[in-house]
Amino acid sequence: NAGVTQTPKFRILKIGQSMTLQCAQDMNHNYMYWYRQDPGMGLKLIYYSVGAGITDKGEVPNGYNVSRSTTEDFPLRLELAAPSQTSVYFCASSYRAGGDYTQYFGPGTRLTVL
Amino acid sequence: LAKTTQPISMDSYEGQEVNITCSHNNIATNDYITWYQQFPSQGPRFIIQGYKTKVTNEVASLFIPADRKSSTLSLPRVSLSDTAVYYCLVSNFGNEKLTFGTGTRLTIIP
Repeated sequence: NAGVTQTPKFRILKIGQSMTLQCAQDMNHNYMYWYRQDPGMGLKLIYYSVGAGITDKGEVPNGYNVSRSTTEDFPLRLELAAPSQTSVYFCASSYRAGGDYTQYFGPGTRLTVL
Repeated sequence: LAKTTQPISMDSYEGQEVNITCSHNNIATNDYITWYQQFPSQGPRFIIQGYKTKVTNEVASLFIPADRKSSTLSLPRVSLSDTAVYYCLVSNFGNEKLTFGTGTRLTIIP
């Protein structure tokens, strides 16, 4: 199992550009999450999904969109990049059954908006 | 969700046992406690999870007193590779919105 994979690892965007951060998991997990982590801070939840076709907002959803058409993939879309979106983005997944609520995280995407 | 408070940083020498305490005074009946570890430039990694009393796995122990208003992560005989940020989280079984605080930055000294 590759676990949770994220692409790209690094990206530099200009203000106003758009991009999609890709996230995939091969553990057949039903729950998937997107977080952002600013320097020296904890992670903040952007969006999450409890299954294909179902998504919901987290703590900081403004400026982002998500979709979940398959169990495996959960892309995060930035439509009009702003400097405030400079951060490290982590995708995670979990199974949430049988008492196991562990979240498995990907390696992250470091995004810089100039 | 219950707010958590943990020390910003701790230092310890190699080979010692390290205890990191997290305060969660307003924990609810159906909340559970989870600890994650994060190395620089990596995503967090699950360490241990518990609801009450003591939980032990191959890497750590988690002590939760009867009132559940705090919890202590215990790392036995730490090594340099245990230098990381440790996050204490409290969440309930029906809520997906985990809140990561700033964590405790643990530095192991040779």
